[in-house]
Order: sequence, then C-alpha cells, then structure tokens
Amino acid sequence: SYVLTQPPSVAVAPGQTARITCGGNNIGKKSVHWYQQKPGQAPVVVVYDDSDRPSEIPERFAGSNSGNTATLTISRVEAGDEADYYCQVWDNNSDLYVFGGGTKLTVL
Amino acid sequence: EVLLVQSGADLKKPGESLKISCKASGYSFTSFWIGWVRQKPGKGLEWMGIIYPGDSDTTYNPSFQGQVTMSADKSISTAYLQWSSLKASDTAMYYCARRLSSSSRVFDLWGRGTLVTVSS
Repeated sequence: SYVLTQPPSVAVAPGQTARITCGGNNIGKKSVHWYQQKPGQAPVVVVYDDSDRPSEIPERFAGSNSGNTATLTISRVEAGDEADYYCQVWDNNSDLYVFGGGTKLTVL
Repeated sequence: EVLLVQSGADLKKPGESLKISCKASGYSFTSFWIGWVRQKPGKGLEWMGIIYPGDSDTTYNPSFQGQVTMSADKSISTAYLQWSSLKASDTAMYYCARRLSSSSRVFDLWGRGTLVTVSS
C-alpha cells in the first residue's frame, strides 16, 4: 500500500518560514492535499491539488510537489499557525485514500 | 450554510453495537462522496472508507473492511458508520468529511467529529 512519510515535528520562530515535507514514491505524479488540525478541532484544508488554496486561507500557505516529496511552506509564521499538519493523497492504483502520519508545528 | 453535523459522543461497553451519523445540509447530499476518518487519542488521521450517497457505492480501507459498515439515507441526507460489536480499541474520534470531486479528491468539508468511548 502507498505510504506517506512526514517528520513528526517542525519548530520555527515567529516570522520565519516553516517547511513541512511529505514523502512518497513518485508523489509528484499524485495530487497532494494538506490539512491543518488544531487541538480539539476538526481538520481544515489549507492547500489542495498540490498548490491551490481555499479562499479563506492566507497566502502565507503554499504547496509544491515534485519527485518523491511534496512540501507545505508557511511563510511569516504566526503563533496561530501552531497545529498538526497532515498530507493526503488518493492512490489511483488501489483506489484508497492515504494520510501522512502528521507533523506537529511548534512556534517557538 | 454548508454543514456536516455529526451525532454526539457515545459511551459503550465492549461487544455492544453502535451507529453514528453525519447529517449534511446546504448542498446536494447525493452528489458528493462522504468519507469517514478515525483519529485515536493523540494519534494521526486514518482513512476508513468512503460512500457515495447517490447509490451507496462504498469503498473500504482494507484495515477496516469487515469491522465497520457505512451506509447512507438519501431521504434525510445522512450518512452512517456502524459497528456490530465494539472493542476497546475502537475508542477514537470519528470524522465524516465530504470529498470535493473526482478530479480533486480532497476532503473539503468536515464534521466536528463524534467521540466514541468503549469501556467496561
């Protein structure tokens, strides 16, 4: 089955740039979606289809995808960005949906 | 307003059955797939399966096949997730989520989740 690998944690200072990676075999050929989940809340889409952003999500959130790695980049990080972030793809070979293990973003 | 409203938290004993619900409003229920996602305490998201309310076509994650049953009632725009015999290991938050489309398989709308606790 298809596996997505994320670092367990990323820590950045306010105002800096956070990069959260999502690794998978030829993930560049798949569409990657990113979710933000704050404590006690349901996940929210922050980036979909590799790099599109829902209208309510700030431009500071950006996605890219190439080769074996997709990346969520959060610019000018704020305290309110502290959350768990998950990547997700649909594996067309198995018709199954897969989530990465999640990355906890800590704002120092 | 476009919403998925999930049923409230439930406390059950091992071996009991349970059916939780996810009611859609503000959009055409039969036109979008609904997925179910499990999150155990302190853990990540696990995709359980997905159902198309239009014809109840269902795909299960093999890890959950035979452990749960997904269904939908078009007449009341509600999707269901049920267990016939709960285990302590089923203790988790369960989310329903709408899949945007076949060209963009992102879950764009989520319910607030139903907390299921299984304890003797």
